[in-house]
Amino acid sequence: GQQLNQSPQSMFIQEGEDVSMNCTSSSIFNTWLWYKQDPGEGPVLLIALYKAGELTSNGRLTAQFGITRKDSFLNISASIPSDVGIYFCAGPADSNYQLIWGAGTKLIIKP
Amino acid sequence: EAQVTQNPRYLITVTGKKLTVTCSQNMNHEYMSWYRQDPGLGLRQIYYSMNVEVTDKGDVPEGYKVSRKEKRNFPLILESPSPNQTSLYFCASSLSPRTDTQYFGPGTRLTVL
Repeated sequence: GQQLNQSPQSMFIQEGEDVSMNCTSSSIFNTWLWYKQDPGEGPVLLIALYKAGELTSNGRLTAQFGITRKDSFLNISASIPSDVGIYFCAGPADSNYQLIWGAGTKLIIKP
Repeated sequence: EAQVTQNPRYLITVTGKKLTVTCSQNMNHEYMSWYRQDPGLGLRQIYYSMNVEVTDKGDVPEGYKVSRKEKRNFPLILESPSPNQTSLYFCASSLSPRTDTQYFGPGTRLTVL
């Protein structure tokens, strides 16, 4: 079935650094969703992408829908402590009404 | 306030003792789903429902049941829980699964001894 591969699995960064993570698949997705999960809570949608090549920002976050429709990227500029959490990519399956999820990228800020 | 509620938030039980985790949403959403979250595996969908009386299996349905008798409620039933069902469970809802934000409940941490 369709799968989403996220990398890196975890990131240790200094406050103020820029962050990049990505999500890839061997199959095409027509929508890419990026969610963030704060510790102890459910995921919350950050950015939704609906068109190949689309670049969308939400504050310090920018996400891009890859031209091949097989990948997507999320960048965070000038990270702050509240950026800590797990970032998930997700996309709707072709054949049914499932939502496919990546395994997540855990962001940790070094003290 | 728009929200998805789950109960209980924490549950410790023993193998074989039937349990139900309730989920309710007040947004009139048609789509609801259940996920389990395990370290390193991300979110895996257990069951989802497109509308009242319409449910379908996700990636990991074995050992779980669901029902959707009313639009707002989507309980998750474990008829005979086993230790490998120890996990963090999330209920979510949205207008549609393809383009709309999924709203997640706060999670239920289940331990099966």
